[in-house]
Amino acid sequence: GDSVTQMEGPVTLSEEAFLTINCTYTATGYPSLFWYVQYPGEGLQLLLKATKADDKGSNKGFEATYRKETTSFHLEKGSVQVSDSAVYFCALNSQGAQKLVFGQGTRLTINP
Amino acid sequence: DTEVTQTPKHLVMGMTNKKSLKCEQHMGHRAMYWYKQKAKKPPELMFVYSYEKLSINESVPSRFSPECPNSSLLNLHLHALQPEDSALYLCASSRGGGRRTDTQYFGPGTRLTVL
Repeated sequence: GDSVTQMEGPVTLSEEAFLTINCTYTATGYPSLFWYVQYPGEGLQLLLKATKADDKGSNKGFEATYRKETTSFHLEKGSVQVSDSAVYFCALNSQGAQKLVFGQGTRLTINP
Repeated sequence: DTEVTQTPKHLVMGMTNKKSLKCEQHMGHRAMYWYKQKAKKPPELMFVYSYEKLSINESVPSRFSPECPNSSLLNLHLHALQPEDSALYLCASSRGGGRRTDTQYFGPGTRLTVL
């Protein structure tokens, strides 16, 4: 079945550091890929998405590129802020599935 | 606007109580979802409604009863819950149709505590 693997957390960085959160997937066909962010005490917010190979999703300074050859969708940000502290979930959606497959989530803490 | 609203924000109930969670969206979406999320875990799918019909039930115990009165509303009726049912309950919606590009938008959740 389909699956998503995210890098183990928690991740702790200093403000203005470069961020990478790794995400790889296994799926039949050509899934769409998503990053969701969950701030403390809140629901999930869609951060960005990509629906085909080589697409780059971007939002709020975050970027991720759909790499079919490496089955990856790594999340990057050039300079993180304290307000980026949250849990980040990578997810995929396959044709006809009607359900998201989530990674385990990566907790990110940014220190001032 | 990509807003999904949920009420109440917090709910405390005893094991003999009956309560309901409510979810609403006005994006014209035709698929709606209930998820359960335990601490430090990803959301777990419970139910999917597609065009107001239940299309997926992930073997959820019958003490959880979903209802979709119309295309904008989704309820989750709770009865005789157990303490282990305490969790964050998330509602989501999407355009539907089973396309791989279908994007789910989540509400803020209801934090449920069962005593």
